[in-house]
Amino acid sequence: GAGVSQSPSNKVTEKGKDVELRCDPISGHTALYWYRQSLGQGLEFLIYFQGNSAPDKSGLPSDRFSAERTGGSVSTLTIQRTQQEDSAVYLCASSPSAGGGTDTQYFGPGTRLTVL
Amino acid sequence: QKEVEQNSGPLSVPEGAIASLNCTYSDRGSQSFFWYRQYSGKSPELIMFIYSNGDKEDGRFTAQLNKASQYVSLLIRDSQPSDSATYLCAATKWGADGLTFGKGTHLIIQP
Repeated sequence: GAGVSQSPSNKVTEKGKDVELRCDPISGHTALYWYRQSLGQGLEFLIYFQGNSAPDKSGLPSDRFSAERTGGSVSTLTIQRTQQEDSAVYLCASSPSAGGGTDTQYFGPGTRLTVL
Repeated sequence: QKEVEQNSGPLSVPEGAIASLNCTYSDRGSQSFFWYRQYSGKSPELIMFIYSNGDKEDGRFTAQLNKASQYVSLLIRDSQPSDSATYLCAATKWGADGLTFGKGTHLIIQP
């Protein structure tokens, strides 16, 4: 079956513009996660969804970042008024459920965001 | 502050030898641990996970967990050039949110 898909694969934007990143999880996976990977850094957890709800938004770097998920499927990560430090690869992952434990998170190919 | 620490490397291992990758974690509440492999420019892919103390084997890979020492390791037997990648260690708690990742160890298998 299809894996996690993300779009766009690459996004170049100017400082101050808003961007939307999309994630389409594996069909049937109820949990969806967003991470950010900056050059030379590890993966930084941003937010997760169980169904359509996001129990913990504390991982979002600032109030310029928001995310939503509709219909328990597709999720959108929005970054408003982008800054150069937002440049990174944004990775989405999904798992059958959000219990931590042994639920494997499957990653999408990522969106490389460059803010000029 | 939850932290997962890894030596960034590079770790250079001759082909056919055993590669040993190590990881320590600071949160004693962490219960499950994952090893991901990430090739340059690609997304992470799961190698294996472990949540019980001791060893867990899957093909050429063995994960080891020592909760008392807060230490996780990954052994790769009969290393192949295709094993050259960055290996990411991650920890989580049952019922928790996302994974806490280390920065990864860059492994180079020399032909």
